[in-house]
Amino acid sequence: GNSVTQMEGPVTLSEEAFLTINCTYTATGYPSLFWYVQYPGEGLQLLLKATKADDKGSNKGFEATYRKETTSFHLEKGSVQVSDSAVYFCALSVFSGGYNKLIFGAGTRLAVHP
Amino acid sequence: GAGVSQSPRYKVAKRGQDVALRCDPISGHVSLFWYQQALGQGPEFLTYFQNEAQLDKSGLPSDRFFAERPEGSVSTLKIQRTQQEDSAVYLCASSLVLVQGVEQFFGPGTRLTVL
Repeated sequence: GNSVTQMEGPVTLSEEAFLTINCTYTATGYPSLFWYVQYPGEGLQLLLKATKADDKGSNKGFEATYRKETTSFHLEKGSVQVSDSAVYFCALSVFSGGYNKLIFGAGTRLAVHP
Repeated sequence: GAGVSQSPRYKVAKRGQDVALRCDPISGHVSLFWYQQALGQGPEFLTYFQNEAQLDKSGLPSDRFFAERPEGSVSTLKIQRTQQEDSAVYLCASSLVLVQGVEQFFGPGTRLTVL
């Protein structure tokens, strides 16, 4: 079956520290991979995505590379800010039957302090 | 433009009551999804509509859960005879086109608490 495993939180960092949140997946077929972010009091929003192997998604200084050989999609940012404090969800979708059903990891809470 | 909206934002129900949760997707979006997010967990798929057709209801946890989208726009998720284990945030998402890897746009969710 399809599943996503991401590192447990919370992750606590100082401002300007380097961030890595690990994500691995199991999937049949050829999944697309996503990182969604949920800021306090707000809904889920797409942070970045990659639709095929070796693609790199990037947005707001965050990056993730679709690694088929290691079935991974780790999220990285070189210098985090307090405003990056949120819950981050790794997800995959497989296009089947004409639609993409998202399968999410459990989420990783990030807290950045000044 | 307007995003996905959901109402009510918060709902408290006594065990055994019926509830109805509403989702207004982005205008023109063909696909509509419902997800359930338990506390501290990621969202889990409940059901999918393509226009007015419910093509996948494999994630609905029991026959107490029912969803509809009669005119291919607004959708309602109904839970009959609510139980405490139904307490969760219910998320609605929509997407425009039917291609691989398309983004789903999420609403703010309805937080259901069953006492």
